[in-house]
Amino acid sequence: GAGVSQSPSNKVTEKGKDVELRCDPISGHTALYWYRQSLGQGLEFLIYFQGNSAPDKSGLPSDRFSAERTGGSVSTLTIQRTQQEDSAVYLCASSLYQETDTQYFGPGTRLTVL
Amino acid sequence: LAKTTQPISMDSYEGQEVNITCSHNNIATNDYITWYQQFPSQGPRFIIQGYKTKVTNEVASLFIPADRKSSTLSLPRVSLSDTAVYYCLVGPMDSSYKLIFGSGTRLLVRP
Repeated sequence: GAGVSQSPSNKVTEKGKDVELRCDPISGHTALYWYRQSLGQGLEFLIYFQGNSAPDKSGLPSDRFSAERTGGSVSTLTIQRTQQEDSAVYLCASSLYQETDTQYFGPGTRLTVL
Repeated sequence: LAKTTQPISMDSYEGQEVNITCSHNNIATNDYITWYQQFPSQGPRFIIQGYKTKVTNEVASLFIPADRKSSTLSLPRVSLSDTAVYYCLVGPMDSSYKLIFGSGTRLLVRP
């Protein structure tokens, strides 16, 4: 596809379970970002990838959150031992080369922790 | 990062010009001003970015006065599909990805 895709679009899980969220950036984009957006709130930065490395992980809220990117393309955000406060829309974005390039966002994954 | 203030909501009618103003009194010398649009259940979409004076693209215009303490996003002849939340962000280009989106301005375009 032409845009950023994310899966699943919706995820409902029970408190304490682990979840994996996937992001497929635009083909050829080397920079990838994860954000989360709580209901009615603005975006909160989580992590930035340049290629397969993450020069900025400063937004990850706790050590339950981790992310990886393989082959300079697909990225997975993993949340371990989910808590109710983790419920949010998790958005992924990519940009062509670097952090100053325009970001293109995916549709997001709505995570609900019961 | 500069704090921004925008109206919580605005109403307009199809075909009208809509101007959304954002205040950023403590903008720094190396800060840029960027506007995003977000529809329900979608990620934000970049609209326009500027540093000073006026910037225009195929979607909107951005007016920035000389003191840069505010900026105005202008949407010409809005349509129903322009109903969305509009976010104003201010910060340096090299860390723009870390900019915190506030609550934005909810624009409702009526027939």
